[in-house]
Amino acid sequence: GAGVSQSPSNKVTEKGKDVELRCDPISGHTALYWYRQSLGQGLEFLIYFQGNSAPDKSGLPSDRFSAERTGGSVSTLTIQRTQQEDSAVYLCASSLGLSGVGELFFGEGSRLTVL
Amino acid sequence: GDSVTQMEGPVTLSEEAFLTINCTYTATGYPSLFWYVQYPGEGLQLLLKATKADDKGSNKGFEATYRKETTSFHLEKGSVQVSDSAVYFCALSESGGSNYKLTFGKGTLLTVNP
Repeated sequence: GAGVSQSPSNKVTEKGKDVELRCDPISGHTALYWYRQSLGQGLEFLIYFQGNSAPDKSGLPSDRFSAERTGGSVSTLTIQRTQQEDSAVYLCASSLGLSGVGELFFGEGSRLTVL
Repeated sequence: GDSVTQMEGPVTLSEEAFLTINCTYTATGYPSLFWYVQYPGEGLQLLLKATKADDKGSNKGFEATYRKETTSFHLEKGSVQVSDSAVYFCALSESGGSNYKLTFGKGTLLTVNP
């Protein structure tokens, strides 16, 4: 596709369950980002992948959160043992890497609701 | 650490009114500054940017000037339209080694009525 694709668009889960969120970046973009958008809190950086370099995980809020990027393309964000405070919209973005710094292309997000 | 503060919304205007959304930042060095817009049901998209002091970014009738002396990057439009209704985010990217990471403000919801 032409843009960043995320799935599922909506996910409702019960507290304590694990969830996986998927991101398919724009073809040719070497950088991939995950952000979290909570009501009234703006966008919170979670993790960044650039090519084959080690990811920057400095924004992950706890060890229940993890992400991987396979083959330099698709990424999966996994939240284990979900808590109600994990409810948010999880946004994925991609870019051309450092040459396109700041020009991120975002997907529409995955809205997670933890009951 | 770096931070972005933008005026809280919601902002409600009539069509053809003048728009200002204030944004100030705190950063070390010389960050690049951005405005992103999120239309209803869509992902965020870059609206405009400025990479150095006194630069003016512009797009779709919107403008913002990078003011280092006041650490501001206020968004303006002379005559808003109903189609401008969206959430607007101010953001910065750090200068130096970790300049890939964007720091966002909390967003300002703009509603333009006919």
